[in-house]
Amino acid sequence: GAVVSQHPSWVICKSGTSVKIECRSLDFQATTMFWYRQFPKQSLMLMATSNEGSKATYEQGVEKDKFLINHASLTLSTLTVTSAHPEDSSFYICSASTGYIDEQYFGPGTRLTVT
Amino acid sequence: AQTVTQSQPEMSVQEAETVTLSCTYDTSESDYYLFWYKQPPSRQMILVIRQEAYKQQNATENRFSVNFQKAAKSFSLKISDSQLGDAAMYFCAYRMDGGSQGNLIFGKGTKLSVKP
Repeated sequence: GAVVSQHPSWVICKSGTSVKIECRSLDFQATTMFWYRQFPKQSLMLMATSNEGSKATYEQGVEKDKFLINHASLTLSTLTVTSAHPEDSSFYICSASTGYIDEQYFGPGTRLTVT
Repeated sequence: AQTVTQSQPEMSVQEAETVTLSCTYDTSESDYYLFWYKQPPSRQMILVIRQEAYKQQNATENRFSVNFQKAAKSFSLKISDSQLGDAAMYFCAYRMDGGSQGNLIFGKGTKLSVKP
C-alpha cells in the first residue's frame, strides 16, 4: 500500500513551452501533497505544499506564477512549469500524506529537461 | 529556522562491515520527528528509519539503527552488516511535530559506497 506515482517519468520540452507533471496517490487519499526540486548531486528543496481544495503555499523564492500547482482531488496534484527555461531543468519529486497516517510517501520523480 | 547538517559528503564501507553516517540539526522545538531516507540511483526516496523526539529509546529497523542524542541535537545512522544494495545517497531529514502534513527539511546527503 501507500503508493505514489508520477507522470511522466521523463520529459523534454523546448524553451518557452509549458509542461505538466502529475502526482497521484494510488491507494490512499492524500490531503496534503508536497513538491520538491532536486538538482544533480544536491538535496531535495521544498517548492510548495498543497492541500486538497485550497491554494498551494509556496516556499520563499519559488515563483508561484511560474510553477502552478493544483490539488483538485484527494488523489491528484499537478505541477505545471510555465514558459520553461533551461535553468528549470531538474528532477521534480512529489510526496503525499494523509492526516491519518503519520508518514509521507514519495513518488519516483520526474526528470525535466528544457532545451 | 530549522536546519539539518550532514558533514560527510561521501562515505565508504566494506561489505559486511558497519558504517555510521552523521547528522546534526538545529531547532528550538521540543517535539519533532527525524528521519533517514535512502535514495538509490533510481532516485526513488525510501524511508529507512524514523525517530520521534519524545522517545528516548533509539529506533531500530533490522540492520539499521540510530543514535539519537536530543541534547546534542545529533541523529546518526548505523548500518550493520553492510550489503551492496545499501549503496545510495542517504538523507537525514527533520519534521516539526504537526502530523504528516508538516514538510520535511533535508540535509545535503551522504553518498555511501559499499566495496565488495
